[in-house]
Amino acid sequence: QVQLQESGPGLVKPSETLSLTCAVSGYSISSGSYWGWIRQPPGKGLEWIGSIHHSGSTSYNPSLKSRVSISIDTSKNQFSLKLSSVTAADTAVYYCARGLSTAMATGLWGPGTLVTVSS
Amino acid sequence: EIVLTQSPGTLSLSPGERATLSCRASQSVSGNYLAWFRQKPGQAPRLLIYGASNRDTGIPDRFSGSGSGTIFTLTISRLEPEDFAMYYCQQYAISPGTFGQGTKLEIK
Repeated sequence: QVQLQESGPGLVKPSETLSLTCAVSGYSISSGSYWGWIRQPPGKGLEWIGSIHHSGSTSYNPSLKSRVSISIDTSKNQFSLKLSSVTAADTAVYYCARGLSTAMATGLWGPGTLVTVSS
Repeated sequence: EIVLTQSPGTLSLSPGERATLSCRASQSVSGNYLAWFRQKPGQAPRLLIYGASNRDTGIPDRFSGSGSGTIFTLTISRLEPEDFAMYYCQQYAISPGTFGQGTKLEIK
């Protein structure tokens, strides 16, 4: 079955760039679907960050758009998130997800990874 | 953006009882692109319902979704111990995708 797994540094310094990768297994990422990122600050709710279509087109949350970049690597069957100029407010569990119907759909999620922004 | 408001904030019930959770949208959700998720502590959200009323694969039939436009409901007919968790609705019709603030379903 399709599975997603996030990876990347658990600690990032303020003003630096957060970089995460989502490895997809059980499905070829180039075959279709939307591949997205969502985050959840500790003890709080969910925020959709953005997504990328298998064709390469992207959609971002306007609240983060100036700092976010999502890319796809079909050769490695993975996609990535970069969030620049991070602050403590970016501390959260970051989830990757697969959507089928729209760029904002999030049907299947990875287990998530906690990223802490601190010096 | 579409703001989703869930009610109640906390719902206290006993196993075997019926739960009714509400999600109200600030504007109509086109195509009924509304999903419901259950999140257990320390876990990722799990999709329960998509398209307002369609159960995801493997979701038991005690879960049902209904509604259209701006008012949506998740009903759990007979609560099992594993159902006591957080529940979120999400609209995926218009960017940015947005989530409700959540309903905590706790054991009474």
